[in-house]
Amino acid sequence: DAMVIQNPRYQVTQFGKPVTLSCSQTLNHNVMYWYQQKSSQAPKLLFHYYDKDFNNEADTPDNFQSRRPNTSFCFLDIRSPGLGDAAMYLCATSREGTGGYEQYFGPGTRLTVT
Amino acid sequence: GESVGLHLPTLSVQEGDNSIINCAYSNSASDYFIWYKQESGKGPQFIIDIRSNMDKRQGQRVTVLLNKTVKHLSLQIAATQPGDSAVYFCAENMYGYNKLIFGAGTRLAVHP
Repeated sequence: DAMVIQNPRYQVTQFGKPVTLSCSQTLNHNVMYWYQQKSSQAPKLLFHYYDKDFNNEADTPDNFQSRRPNTSFCFLDIRSPGLGDAAMYLCATSREGTGGYEQYFGPGTRLTVT
Repeated sequence: GESVGLHLPTLSVQEGDNSIINCAYSNSASDYFIWYKQESGKGPQFIIDIRSNMDKRQGQRVTVLLNKTVKHLSLQIAATQPGDSAVYFCAENMYGYNKLIFGAGTRLAVHP
């Protein structure tokens, strides 16, 4: 089945220790998104790639970076995690971005910062 | 650790009743809308969508209504089941922008 896969599902890191979360998709979609979701809140878009074109949200901290080496994979790098970065991180894809296309979400990675 | 989030509005219904979840969207230029269901510890799951040239769309047990005049979206779930218990988010997309804007979410609690 075509899908969005996130690894790991649970990640524990230490305060200030860099961490990378990964996302892969078998849908061959052009657009990949990274969201941060905290408890009882809506997903908050951090950035997205349209093909190789990176688009950062204005309020995304510099501490968060992303890489998309090919169509299938996208990575979220947190350079120096703080306690406030503990959250669920969701990856999503869509076939196109404009004109109204469903976003398909992965299961998420729960990040704990100790 | 993770900061304490906002308290989500909760809709409590009896199993078998119909549920109506409401959403006010923000941008009159939005032309595509989605309802997502999110169960605890999982990613959001697509339920149904609607484009701005429609005011109603039906799926299996679900109906979405769109009122562009007052920027209001609703999700109706018929014969609500315990498996429908989750948080429901509406999301809007504005033509020309590669992103969805999510509403705050509503928790649906189904009681036997």
